[in-house]
Formats: sequence, C-alpha cells, structure tokens
Amino acid sequence: AQTVTQSQPEMSVQEAETVTLSCTYDTSESDYYLFWYKQPPSRQMILVIRQEAYKQQNATENRFSVNFQKAAKSFSLKISDSQLGDAAMYFCAYNAGKSTFGDGTTLTVKP
Amino acid sequence: EPEVTQTPSHQVTQMGQEVILRCVPISNHLYFYWYRQILGQKVEFLVSFYNNEISEKSEIFDDQFSVERPDGSNFTLKIRSTKLEDSAMYFCASGLGWGSGYGYTFGSGTRLTVV
Repeated sequence: AQTVTQSQPEMSVQEAETVTLSCTYDTSESDYYLFWYKQPPSRQMILVIRQEAYKQQNATENRFSVNFQKAAKSFSLKISDSQLGDAAMYFCAYNAGKSTFGDGTTLTVKP
Repeated sequence: EPEVTQTPSHQVTQMGQEVILRCVPISNHLYFYWYRQILGQKVEFLVSFYNNEISEKSEIFDDQFSVERPDGSNFTLKIRSTKLEDSAMYFCASGLGWGSGYGYTFGSGTRLTVV
C-alpha cells in the first residue's frame, strides 16, 4: 500500500521569507502523480501544484515550486515570498488512481 | 472555472438516522470520489465510482455506506445509520480520468455532525 509521510506537523515562516514543507512517499508504482493541496480554515481543498512522476523537471506555479526526487521518493514544497494568506494546512498527496494523503503540515505566517 | 458543488454545507443529524450527502460533479468528468476528513486528521479515501459502479472502496466504506448517481448529474453518498464517529467533513471530488494528472477538483465539503 502507498503511504505518504509529512514529518513536520507545524511550520512557521516570516512574511516575505521562504519556507519548505517536506513530503516523502512509498510506492512500487512507476507512473503516478503527486500533489500539494492547501486547506484554509474554511476546510476547502485547493490544489496548489502537481507533478507527474515521469517528468524530471520540477513543477513551478508562481511562488510555489517543488523539489521532486523520484529515486528518494521525496516531494517537497517551497513557498517563496510568503504571504499572510498562505497560512493554512498543507497536504501532500500521491495519486495512482485514488489519492493517498499525508497527515498535513500547519503553516503559520508571521507578519 | 467549473466547480464541484456539494450540498448541504453543514448537516446535523441524530445518531441512527440516515443521511444523504449530495454532489454535482463537473459535467465532463467521468470519475467520482468521496473522501472523509475527521477534524484534525488526514483526508481518507472512501470510494471511487466510474461507469455507474464502484471501482474501488476502502475498508472504511462498509455496509452502512452506499453511493449512486441517480440522474446522470448528481452523485450521492448515503450513510444508513449514522454513528457518532461518522462526524467529519465529507468531500466529493471528480476527475477526467483514473489517476488524472490534473488532480481532482474537490467540492467545498459537507460538514456532518452526528449528535
């Protein structure tokens, strides 16, 4: 069974600084997708960024980028120029059909 | 931008009662999912649905749960006899394909409170 591990239950960052959220996963599949979702206090799930496992190039979406290391099964999220609105719970998810989510990391942004 | 719509946003029910959670997926999506998130915990897969039948379900999805797509647009999750531990946020999601690389589109969720 696939597992997703987010080893940082909580992280904090100063506004305008950069923060990296960690995620590792375990799978025997070779073709899959990885996602980061943001869940604000409203509890809605918002897709932040996605990565196809067959692509070596790291995905980037404005201030959000990933460091995808397939051999190490690592998929970290970097948030640059952090903003107060980035404060939320962030979930890493693995998808090869259904999605398996990590436990989440609560990100606090300090003004 | 297309949305997945879930109703109601919050439902309170008495233990032992039946509840039906409703979802309207994005119109051209073919795969539909229900996930559950107990407060403060991770998001858990419940069931996936394709071509009018369940394609995969988790061990959480026992006999008290059922899903159907009654009219080609709605996708419902029924809990026959609710328990206190069913209190959670329930998310519907839809996708273009199995393992869709575009990710699912999640609805805004239904908060179920069983008292």
